[in-house]
Amino acid sequence: EIVLTQSPGTLSLSPGERATLSCRASQSVSSNNLAWYQQKPGQAPRLLIYGASSRATAIPDRFSGSGSGTDFTLTISRLEPEDFAVYYCQQYGDSPYTFGQGTKLEIK
Amino acid sequence: QVQLQASGPGLVKPSETLSLTCTVSGDSISSYYWSWIRQPPGKGLEWIGYIYNSASTNYNPSLKSRVTISVDTSKNQLSLKLSSVTAADTAVYYCARGTVGLTSGWGQGILVTVSS
Repeated sequence: EIVLTQSPGTLSLSPGERATLSCRASQSVSSNNLAWYQQKPGQAPRLLIYGASSRATAIPDRFSGSGSGTDFTLTISRLEPEDFAVYYCQQYGDSPYTFGQGTKLEIK
Repeated sequence: QVQLQASGPGLVKPSETLSLTCTVSGDSISSYYWSWIRQPPGKGLEWIGYIYNSASTNYNPSLKSRVTISVDTSKNQLSLKLSSVTAADTAVYYCARGTVGLTSGWGQGILVTVSS
């Protein structure tokens, strides 16, 4: 089973700042099948990025994903108030498909 | 636009079977991969398994001995059965649509508490 470790656990930033979230895999993720999800309190997760760097439908271009192999990054170029949430990475290259433990992005 | 609505008992007794249904509208249950994912209160996400082509399944080995995912194509519904539940199975259970392990459309989730 591939273990995904996200860092930091909590990130405190202000609107307008740049956010960089990390996801490291215990082994190489097949075909860079790495996704990022956003979850707000009381809501289901929403797919942001798939294939490590492709934005899902209707996702603003301030969200970008990068990385390959075992190291992946989600970048939010300029934080909007609605971006403060919990972010999860997920690998879907090898079953069982696993999630990271999450990074909470909070307002500073 | 696909909509998924999970339903079922919110409280299940230990050792019993958790049974949930997900009603799909706006898309055919015969297409795509349909997954169940759960999230214990205040914790992270765990993939339970998926079904595709109405009959082919793939389950998380950690739950495989207790899980059954099936579909009712006549009702366009997805179902989850989890047997011999314990308090550790208390979670919000989500149904979702996608491809293989990637999920792009999620239902709102249903909280299931395991308690006597």
